[in-house]
Amino acid sequence: EVQLVESGGGLVQPGGSLRLSCSASGFTFSSYAMHWVRQAPGKGLEYVSAISSNGGSTYYADSVKGRFTISRDNSKNTLYLQMSSLRAEDTAVYYCVKGDRNMDVWGQGTTVTVSS
Amino acid sequence: QSVLTQPPSVSGAPGQRVTISCTGGSSNIGSGYDVHWYQQLPAAAPKLLIYGNNNRPSGVPDRFSGSKSGTSASLVITGLQAEDEADYYCQSYDTSLSGWRVFGGGTKLTVL
Repeated sequence: EVQLVESGGGLVQPGGSLRLSCSASGFTFSSYAMHWVRQAPGKGLEYVSAISSNGGSTYYADSVKGRFTISRDNSKNTLYLQMSSLRAEDTAVYYCVKGDRNMDVWGQGTTVTVSS
Repeated sequence: QSVLTQPPSVSGAPGQRVTISCTGGSSNIGSGYDVHWYQQLPAAAPKLLIYGNNNRPSGVPDRFSGSKSGTSASLVITGLQAEDEADYYCQSYDTSLSGWRVFGGGTKLTVL
């Protein structure tokens, strides 16, 4: 069974940092691009970041560029999102998503709350 | 404000047909980029519903169909069922965005 399990969410103060992880199983992780998508409370989906299958290319939404870093460890089947200089508006559920041309498998999400 | 515009809400009675639109522009749908649709049931993660404009993943009922024309795309649900009540999002690509991929604002479907 293809599965994505996020972890690392929690409560963090404004200006703080947090690292999210996503453990993948049930497919050849190193063959697929991976993404992070977030959803603020009561709001729609917002695309955050993507990384190519070998990690050589990365993409970021303007809202997180310069503050977030996406990476992956294909030997550990794990995707990461390092978040720094966090703001209240970064409060959201963060989903790890598999996919090349479309996003066909989603994790259950991990909640990040930025508040003092 | 997304570059892909969806109606905030649509509704229909069981058995009816509903259409959800996704309107873009020349830098996204109008450039020939594929449109994908996702369904998010209450308190659940999104799920891929339609990919590549009009293709259904395995397990998605044929009551769901998609189409694309010009700068817009549509999701059509026929034979509406209570379990279809959910949020629906279109997604495409936009050359003006650094992240490249973009979601529509989402449409809440209510089954009356």
